[in-house]
Amino acid sequence: AQTVTQSQPEMSVQEAETVTLSCTYDTSENNYYLFWYKQPPSRQMILVIRQEAYKQQNATENRFSVNFQKAAKSFSLKISDSQLGDTAMYFCAFMKPSRGGSNYKLTFGKGTLLTVNP
Amino acid sequence: DTGVSQNPRHKITKRGQNVTFRCDPISEHNRLYWYRQTLGQGPEFLTYFQNEAQLEKSRLLSDRFSAERPKGSFSTLEIQRTEQGDSAMYLCASSSSGTRDNEQFFGPGTRLTVL
Repeated sequence: AQTVTQSQPEMSVQEAETVTLSCTYDTSENNYYLFWYKQPPSRQMILVIRQEAYKQQNATENRFSVNFQKAAKSFSLKISDSQLGDTAMYFCAFMKPSRGGSNYKLTFGKGTLLTVNP
Repeated sequence: DTGVSQNPRHKITKRGQNVTFRCDPISEHNRLYWYRQTLGQGPEFLTYFQNEAQLEKSRLLSDRFSAERPKGSFSTLEIQRTEQGDSAMYLCASSSSGTRDNEQFFGPGTRLTVL
């Protein structure tokens, strides 16, 4: 079974600065997907960024980028130019895609609560 | 708004009562997932539908839980004889078997409190 570990329960950063959230995972699979989801207070979870394991290039979405180290099974999220609206719980998630009607369930870490301070 | 919707948003019930939650996925999505999220934890997978077929259930889904997705559209999750340990946020997500079929879109959740 896959496991996802987020070792930082809480982090804080000053507005406009850069912060990195850590995530490690354990799997015996070679092909899989990794995600970072954001859950703002009292709002629904939204996808921030995703990475296909077969791609060596790190994914980037505007101010969000990842550092994917497949051999180390590490998948950290870097947020540049932090904004007040980035305050949220961030979840790292793993998916092992299955074909033929099997499921695409997500396995989540426990989350990191990020607070952006003005 | 064409996102995933869930009703009710909040439910307070007494131990032993039955409750039912509804999820309306994004209309063109054929895959639907239920997750449970307790305080301080990430969401945990409960069950998965592809169209109307329930293809997988987690061992977290005891025999008091049942989920349906008639006609492959909306889904319901019923909990019978609720227990205090069932108190959690129940999240629904949907996705499509298209080019980005691994992206799941989440609803706002139903927060259940069992007294």
